[in-house]
Amino acid sequence: AQSVTQLGSHVSVSEGALVLLRCNYSSSVPPYLFWYVQYPNQGLQLLLKYTTGATLVKGINGFEAEFKKSETSFHLTKPSAHMSDAAEYFCATSGAGSYQLTFGKGTKLSVIP
Amino acid sequence: DGGITQSPKYLFRKEGQNVTLSCEQNLNHDAMYWYRQDPGQGLRLIYYSQIVNDFQKGDIAEGYSVSREKKESFPLTVTSAQKNPTAFYLCASHPGAERYTEAFFGQGTRLTVV
Repeated sequence: AQSVTQLGSHVSVSEGALVLLRCNYSSSVPPYLFWYVQYPNQGLQLLLKYTTGATLVKGINGFEAEFKKSETSFHLTKPSAHMSDAAEYFCATSGAGSYQLTFGKGTKLSVIP
Repeated sequence: DGGITQSPKYLFRKEGQNVTLSCEQNLNHDAMYWYRQDPGQGLRLIYYSQIVNDFQKGDIAEGYSVSREKKESFPLTVTSAQKNPTAFYLCASHPGAERYTEAFFGQGTRLTVV
């Protein structure tokens, strides 16, 4: 069965600093991996996804993530945090023969002015 | 514009009442899902449906019921048997056939028991 683990339920960074949100996956098949963002009282919006091919994936709002099979990781990064990046971020994976997404517990990002 | 519409955005329920949350999509997606979100617990799957007139229980189905009479609609009823229904509820849809395709989410319904 597939699963994802997000390390750190809450991350704080200063405005302009590097953002690093960690996600590790467990899957018996090549995984498809997703990062979603959620602003307060709203639904989830796709930031980026890894399917096949290039392991460095670029998404919206300047975010990117790198698929590392050897480390079973798919960490989300952004070089310079902006106040508008404050939100909750979810890593997710879809499993073999299943349309279901399995989500991590989320990481709340705070950006300090 | 194609998308998923959840209504209402805020809902208040008295103890012992059943309430129904609406979810409609015009994306022509086969699969639809209901998730419950509580602080610090991520998204937990309540029910999902991969085709009209068929649905499956997720991880926390007790106290909830659903129907899928039309491809576009997947309403969720929170029954009086659900002991702690106060939460944020999210509906999602997915094309169904391609595992590499992302799911699309509605804006959520916040249910509060008063």
